[in-house]
Amino acid sequence: EAQVTQNPRYLITVTGKKLTVTCSQNMNHEYMSWYRQDPGLGLRQIYYSMNVEVTDKGDVPEGYKVSRKEKRNFPLILESPSPNQTSLYFCASSETRNRYEQYFGPGTRLTVT
Amino acid sequence: QKEVEQNSGPLSVPEGAIASLNCTYSDRGSQSFFWYRQYSGKSPELIMSIYSNGDKEDGRFTAQLNKASQYVSLLIRDSQPSDSATYLCAVDTGRRALTFGSGTRLQVQP
Repeated sequence: EAQVTQNPRYLITVTGKKLTVTCSQNMNHEYMSWYRQDPGLGLRQIYYSMNVEVTDKGDVPEGYKVSRKEKRNFPLILESPSPNQTSLYFCASSETRNRYEQYFGPGTRLTVT
Repeated sequence: QKEVEQNSGPLSVPEGAIASLNCTYSDRGSQSFFWYRQYSGKSPELIMSIYSNGDKEDGRFTAQLNKASQYVSLLIRDSQPSDSATYLCAVDTGRRALTFGSGTRLQVQP
């Protein structure tokens, strides 16, 4: 089954404790991205990757890091989480030629206290 | 002004009616337009994409694009309770990221 998986689905953590949210896709997609979704603000892109070892900032990259060492995986790293990073996070993937026709993962709800 | 604007709703329609969802965008250079559906507690799912002026039909869904007026709409014919969801309009403005509206919540009343 074609899918994008994220782990964990729910996470409660404390300010400053480093965390990683994993994302994996099994569709051999080149393009992957991370979004956060906040009430009234919609989906906003954090980082994206056009292919292995190629990443770039989206609209709201501050406080986040990513890496793309393998085509299928695109982890999101919060080195020092803060309460304003409490949000719902989605990973998405697509083929480069139709990069905005995206498949989204199930989401990770992060709470930073 | 937001780059992509949608009425947050809720838009309430009776079962079997046509639901009309609208979206306006500010960047005249925008080229590609998308409608995603998001059920409560779930992830967005692409339902329509449209790239040129006019109508594009797919089953009960019709996307309409008018670049001169900078709006894109989604019509859902024969609305069903299962269509109740939030519909996100997304626009490729040519920048690095797809820009999403905040979504319109649709309620289809049985």
